[in-house]
Amino acid sequence: GIQVEQSPPDLILQEGANSTLRCNFSDSVNNLQWFHQNPWGQLINLFYIPSGTKQNGRLSATTVATERYSLLYISSSQTTDSGVYFCAVVNNNDMRFGAGTRLTVKP
Amino acid sequence: NAGVTQTPKFQVLKTGQSMTLQCAQDMNHNSMYWYRQDPGMGLRLIYYSASEGTTDKGEVPNGYNVSRLNKREFSLRLESAAPSQTSVYFCASSNSGINNEQFFGPGTRLTVL
Repeated sequence: GIQVEQSPPDLILQEGANSTLRCNFSDSVNNLQWFHQNPWGQLINLFYIPSGTKQNGRLSATTVATERYSLLYISSSQTTDSGVYFCAVVNNNDMRFGAGTRLTVKP
Repeated sequence: NAGVTQTPKFQVLKTGQSMTLQCAQDMNHNSMYWYRQDPGMGLRLIYYSASEGTTDKGEVPNGYNVSRLNKREFSLRLESAAPSQTSVYFCASSNSGINNEQFFGPGTRLTVL
């Protein structure tokens, strides 16, 4: 099946800093989503972005499907941004998640 | 709109016991999914139902059965629980098919002793 790799695995930031999270995938995809799993375990939809660029407040995402990667940008980070960020892709009717990037934002 | 709801929130079973996890959605979605999440990992697809009356295996279907009861409800059954099935189980739904945006429930934390 398709391989999904996220980097970095861990990231520690000071409040107010910016960050870029990366998702690489090994084959073409029909769907790509970014999720935030908060410390209580809830999965929050951030972006549905099989291609192109989207922005939502301090967050934005870009997927370059032809080069098989997606980027999630977080600007002016806040402590509430802490948690695990997952990238998930669909290929051949199979949805696969990456292992996630654990983000800790310190006050 | 409650979105996707799951019951129970927590469950402890002994090895060999059976149980059914319930999932319901009120978004009029056609497709529903069951995932498991093990510690430190992303989610893995167990089964999905592209539409009412159909079910298909995902990445890790062994040891599980599913029932698409109607358009709103999709249940996951463990016939004979094993410690390896200790995990957090998430249900999700999407408008039509696995290529559409999926929305997740709050999860069920299951421990098998």
